[in-house]
Amino acid sequence: KQEVTQIPAALSVPEGENLVLNCSFTDSAIYNLQWFRQDPGKGLTSLLLIQSSQREQTSGRLNASLDKSSGRSTLYIAASQPGDSATYLCAVIKGAQKLVFGQGTRLTINP
Amino acid sequence: DVKVTQSSRYLVKRTGEKVFLECVQDMDHENMFWYRQDPGLGLRLIYFSYDVKMKEKGDIPEGYSVSREKKERFSLILESASTNQTSMYLCASSRTNYGYTFGSGTRLTVV
Repeated sequence: KQEVTQIPAALSVPEGENLVLNCSFTDSAIYNLQWFRQDPGKGLTSLLLIQSSQREQTSGRLNASLDKSSGRSTLYIAASQPGDSATYLCAVIKGAQKLVFGQGTRLTINP
Repeated sequence: DVKVTQSSRYLVKRTGEKVFLECVQDMDHENMFWYRQDPGLGLRLIYFSYDVKMKEKGDIPEGYSVSREKKERFSLILESASTNQTSMYLCASSRTNYGYTFGSGTRLTVV
């Protein structure tokens, strides 16, 4: 059974810092990996999708990498801002197009 | 951008009521999904559908059913609502081998 782990569970940093969120998965036979952001009480917003043939994707201050052989993905956030405060979820897409989620990293950026 | 619309943002229902949660997507995605999200348990898949009139059980289908009569619409039905079905319900859609798009969620309270 595919398991997805996100470390750390919570992170608090001062504004302006660069930071890395980690995601690991047990089965490397995945199709895609997707990073989401969730604000309290809201739905999930897609940040980046990395397809299985890709190694990274970038959008603005965000960069996500994927290493299938080691079962790891990282989400890099540059020059963090208070508006980046949210829960970040990693999810892998395996068979049957189903997402398997990690438990998330709750990020707080302090002004 | 793909839009996934959930009909209600907040819903309060009584125990034993039949509850319908509606979800509509506007980008002709073949796959649609219903998840529930609870503190400490993360996101759990209830049901999903690959095509019109097709449905598959997810990880926690008990107490729920679904309907997909049109490609753009996927309904979640609570046959007889119970207090343990109080939760945040999230609908999502995807095109096979591409990323997911989620709706903004329905917070259901059963009293």
